[in-house]
Amino acid sequence: DAGVIQSPRHEVTEMGQEVTLRCKPISGHNSLFWYRQTMMRGLELLIYFNNNVPIDDSGMPEDRFSAKMPNASFSTLKIQPSEPRDSAVYFCASASRPGTGNYGYTFGSGTRLTVV
Amino acid sequence: QQQVKQSPQSLIVQKGGISIINCAYENTAFDYFPWYQQFPGKGPALLIAIRPDVSEKKEGRFTISFNKSAKQFSLHIMDSQPGDSATYFCAASPDSGYSTLTFGKGTMLLVSP
Repeated sequence: DAGVIQSPRHEVTEMGQEVTLRCKPISGHNSLFWYRQTMMRGLELLIYFNNNVPIDDSGMPEDRFSAKMPNASFSTLKIQPSEPRDSAVYFCASASRPGTGNYGYTFGSGTRLTVV
Repeated sequence: QQQVKQSPQSLIVQKGGISIINCAYENTAFDYFPWYQQFPGKGPALLIAIRPDVSEKKEGRFTISFNKSAKQFSLHIMDSQPGDSATYFCAASPDSGYSTLTFGKGTMLLVSP
């Protein structure tokens, strides 16, 4: 199993540009999470899908952020327009059960986003 | 908002020593408490987890101690090794329905040779 696959690993973009982050969860995992990690705020849950349906998007900071999960094997997180304060490492995680996953989340290696 | 408070922010331990990281929570509905380990450039990975029906769980050199009345739990790393140098996150969640994990802010551990 290749684990959770995220792309790109690094993204540098100019303020105002659209950024799309991609995630392929582990096959058979029904739950998918997008997290943002910064030194100041730690790991923040942005949005959570179960069976491709968004369950909780209360962590999405503002309308500039959107996430989709068109099928069980693919999800995107889009920022439009991007701002310097969006610079962070964005993680995707998947789990075999709803919510806690009970047996843990499997995280991808993250996308380091820098907005200049 | 549900919170998990983690301390210390950073920790330096000599090789062979014991590393101790503490977490406290507020939500009495929490009943699943995992610890995650993160190396630079990698995502967090599940290390060990405990449920409140036991007060301690041990896996190799890693032990979780749990105090339900105090709403506190801690990670102990015995015989700490340089390879244990990483950031450690505690987390908590109700283990029901669609609840999700709430993470502490992390502890950066450095084990000196």
